Amino acid sequence: GQSLEQPSEVTAVEGAIVQINCTYQTSGFYGLSWYQQHDGGAPTFLSYNGLDGLEETGRFSSFLSRSDSYGYLLLQELQMKDSASYFCAVGYGGATNKLIFGTGTLLAVQP
Amino acid sequence: ETGVTQTPRHLVMGMTNKKSLKCEQHLGHNAMYWYKQSAKKPLELMFVYSLEERVENNSVPSRFSPECPNSSHLFLHLHTLQPEDSALYLCASSQVGTDNEQFFGPGTRLTVL
Repeated sequence: GQSLEQPSEVTAVEGAIVQINCTYQTSGFYGLSWYQQHDGGAPTFLSYNGLDGLEETGRFSSFLSRSDSYGYLLLQELQMKDSASYFCAVGYGGATNKLIFGTGTLLAVQP
Repeated sequence: ETGVTQTPRHLVMGMTNKKSLKCEQHLGHNAMYWYKQSAKKPLELMFVYSLEERVENNSVPSRFSPECPNSSHLFLHLHTLQPEDSALYLCASSQVGTDNEQFFGPGTRLTVL
């Protein structure tokens, strides 16, 4: 079957750095993406990794190792507004952008 | 505001009712998606329409019936639902070939009594 594994919860303090890991087992692979969802809100796209390595977008970075079927999202200089659920997602449908999502990691940022 | 709107935002229905969820995207995208989000479970892809043609139906029960009349509009017709169908139903759109970036609507919170 297809599955993506993430930690269910992570807690950190303001200003800290946190890493959310994702391991996947899928029948096809067209990149690893990360989405953020605040409570009661819609998921919003954060980043995409199609090739191995690190992608940086401001305070957020994402990493992919295809040989290890592993990736992570790194959040730096944490702010209270970063408290949300974070989902990794693997594309498996080629050009049609079909995604399978992980179970999500609830990040709680404390003062 | 992501450019994807959904109506209604909340819906309560009985098991014998028929209702429809509506999604509209204002982004000029050519692919649209329906997802189901239940508590403690990952987002589940239900249907995919690419260039107005259905390209995915993830073993969804026939009591859910999608319709995509054009590239900007997507409907999910509901009939004889079960209480376990209560969930947040999310619509998304994307441009085919882009890097897995999908734009989600705010969702419809559905409760089946």
